[in-house]
Order: sequence, then C-alpha cells, then structure tokens
Amino acid sequence: QQPVQSPQAVILREGEDAVINCSSSKALYSVHWYRQKHGEAPVFLMILLKGGEQKGHEKISASFNEKKQQSSLYLTASQLSYSGTYFCGTGKTILTGGGNKLTFGTGTQLKVEL
Amino acid sequence: NAGVMQNPRHLVRRRGQEARLRCSPMKGHSHVYWYRQLPEEGLKFMVYLQKENIIDESGMPKERFSAEFPKEGPSILRIQQVVRGDSAAYFCASSPGDTRIYGYTFGSGTRLTVV
Repeated sequence: QQPVQSPQAVILREGEDAVINCSSSKALYSVHWYRQKHGEAPVFLMILLKGGEQKGHEKISASFNEKKQQSSLYLTASQLSYSGTYFCGTGKTILTGGGNKLTFGTGTQLKVEL
Repeated sequence: NAGVMQNPRHLVRRRGQEARLRCSPMKGHSHVYWYRQLPEEGLKFMVYLQKENIIDESGMPKERFSAEFPKEGPSILRIQQVVRGDSAAYFCASSPGDTRIYGYTFGSGTRLTVV
C-alpha cells in the first residue's frame, strides 16, 4: 500500500515554512525522505528509524510517529533551492544483508518563489 | 566516486523492439533497485537485486520484463517487445547494504520513449 502524502502541492515565498506529511495504513519500520528536481534523479535527505525520532539536515528536519504511522518533514526559512517534489519512502528490512525495498509515497510538489 | 551510472540517458524504440537499460552501482554498493516513474507520478518499485541474485521482483510485470545483476558488469533491465505504455523514466538506485542506515543513491535515469 502506497503511503499518502499531504499536501499534494504547496507554494511558498522565500523564507516561509512548510510541513509535509507521510501517512501509511501499514506499520512503519523506517522512513526515508528524498527530493527530486524536475528532470533529475531523487536525492536522499534522511532516514528515521525509531518512533518519535527526529532528525535535522540544515534547515530541513523530520519526525517519525510510529503509533500514528506517520512521518512529517519540516522545511524552515525556505530557499529557492528547496523547490522540487518530496517523496517519503517506507519499507521493512528484508533479509540477510539488510536490503530494503522502499515503497514511495504519492509525492508533494513544493515551489518556493521570491 | 562516480556515483550510480545509468545509460543510455534517452532511448527511443519502436513498438515491438527490445530495450536494454544499464546500471552500474556506486563502488562498494552491492544492492541494486529498479524503479519506474511515469510523468508527474511517483516511483514504482520493480525489482531488487544483489550480485547474481534476484531478491524481490514483486513489482515486475510477469511478461516481457527481466532483470539481472551478473557477477561482472552492470545490472541490466530488459524489456522485450516494447509497447507505448512502457514509455517512462527508469531509475536505478544502489545502496551499500542495510537501508536502516544508508539511503538510496539514484542514477540519472533512462527516459524510454516508445514510438
């Protein structure tokens, strides 16, 4: 089952904040976040593993609520370079070797304007 | 480190032809994943491979599609007798192993157009 992201799209003025949510109907074991600019490859942002875990990456941070089966990505003081489509990815580590098939969310298009 | 290398970047095939997409993972990465992306849509899992083994192919169509990751050389995604609905961007990703610790590194993708 594909995680559902909200909102689908958001437009910000430079310097504004945004929150992107990722919800799953299945139990979440880990959550990855990626950003994809138009015509380019997705780029890894961060992983969250434990319930309640929060992580930060410059002005981008995320939280993971295991009970609610939800993760949120926080973008503060947005910059033009933050524009792109954000995807969450969820999965369960499979076997020996620790590989993990990720199921990606529906995506959130973020546009930052001057 | 050259990153994940995919080629070709763009591929045009006529209906009924075969398409071969190549992916060389990052040095030290033994896990390879293939995803398909339609315009304005998300990434759909196709197959997960390690060297000489298909670990999970639950996202691969049963017919016409196959994937391999040989002991030597790149991973290959092969689509036989392509149809217009196969037109999409195909992304390969690699990781060094435990994706509880490491994220995916994606290649630049191959954009397949079937005419």
